[in-house]
Amino acid sequence: DAGVIQSPRHEVTEMGQEVTLRCKPISGHNSLFWYRQTMMRGLELLIYFNNNVPIDDSGMPEDRFSAKMPNASFSTLKIQPSEPRDSAVYFCASSLRGGSGNTIYFGEGSWLTVV
Amino acid sequence: AQTVTQSQPEMSVQEAETVTLSCTYDTSESNYYLFWYKQPPSRQMILVIRQEAYKQQNATENRFSVNFQKAAKSFSLKISDSQLGDTAMYFCAFITYNNNDMRFGAGTRLTVKP
Repeated sequence: DAGVIQSPRHEVTEMGQEVTLRCKPISGHNSLFWYRQTMMRGLELLIYFNNNVPIDDSGMPEDRFSAKMPNASFSTLKIQPSEPRDSAVYFCASSLRGGSGNTIYFGEGSWLTVV
Repeated sequence: AQTVTQSQPEMSVQEAETVTLSCTYDTSESNYYLFWYKQPPSRQMILVIRQEAYKQQNATENRFSVNFQKAAKSFSLKISDSQLGDTAMYFCAFITYNNNDMRFGAGTRLTVKP
């Protein structure tokens, strides 16, 4: 079975550019999460969706960040404009709420470097 | 507020020996799940083991087992017969039945020495 699929795996971009990270959750899962991992702050939940609806975006750092889930099989996290402090590993994850103990399965992450 | 605390930033163990990683959590909920995830240098987050709070029996997955003490809000991970491939960051995590917001501890960096 395919796991959570993220793209790109690695991205290097210049400050001020727009960055779009993409995610395909596990088929049949009804919850999707975006996490950010940095050395300083560890794993932070940015936003999560239930049934394609954003439930909690309180972790989104500022207006430069936005996330969408137009359908059950696709989500994007956009940063515009990007800044060096956005450099991190961004994880997408999905789960079947109410099933498998609400276990969250992670993608392999998107490594973002903003120079 | 729900919090997860891992008090050991780094640990090391000799190959083939046993090591225990500590985790405590705080919640007012009575129904929840606890997890240990492993993150090797590749950065992939891999589920190691899961425990349902309503179950008294401690979960076991091959060489990995937990000691779940609900009253003490403690959830430690024991790795038996440690292998070099166990070298990784280990994160304790917590999620309630009613809330989809999984909380992670700061992680413990485990090094298995040959």
